[in-house]
Amino acid sequence: DIQLTQSPSFLSTSVGDRVTITCRASQGINSYLAWYQQKPGKAPKLLIYAASALRSGVPSRFSGSGSGTEFTLTISSLQPEDFATYYCQQLNSYPYTFGQGTKLEI
Amino acid sequence: EVQLVESGGGLVQPGRSLTLSCTGSGFTFGDYAMHWVRQAPGKGLEWVGFIRTKDFGETAEYAASVKGRFTISRDDSKHIAYLQMNSLKTEDTALYYCTLELPFEYWGPGTLVTVSS
Repeated sequence: DIQLTQSPSFLSTSVGDRVTITCRASQGINSYLAWYQQKPGKAPKLLIYAASALRSGVPSRFSGSGSGTEFTLTISSLQPEDFATYYCQQLNSYPYTFGQGTKLEI
Repeated sequence: EVQLVESGGGLVQPGRSLTLSCTGSGFTFGDYAMHWVRQAPGKGLEWVGFIRTKDFGETAEYAASVKGRFTISRDDSKHIAYLQMNSLKTEDTALYYCTLELPFEYWGPGTLVTVSS
């Protein structure tokens, strides 16, 4: 199975900060990676797929990059509504594993 | 508008069975694989399994943690996917979501399963 390791697990941030979250895969997954945002009590929301494709309607301050085994999610200028937990997921092969999550805190 | 709604959750004793349903609307149900994802209280997301479409034999794949205990099926005429859970363990306690095929653009609100004596 492909393991995904996100770093950091927690990040203390402020509005306006530039934030980068890393997701490392235990083996190459090409660009088969998605990023999700989850707020408390809500289902996850797809932000990015195919490593760098922004889902329609997602603000352009979110961007993704990477291929192979190392990927990043960047939020260029953190907004109050961005405080949430972020997960990566590999779409290369089942089981379609998720990273352990990164929680952004004020 | 695509909508997914899970149902069937509740409190169940260890070793017992429970079947969850996922009802879809706003899309051609039979054209999409259906996945289940769960989230234990305060924990991260865990992919549970998925079922392919009729064109691909309606075959299913599962996470190792549930293989042999859980079965996913579908009834395209009713627009429902099922997650039959047998031999439940306390560690199966979670909020169970259904989603459409990868990437997971659409999610239901989830249904809570609590396994406890």
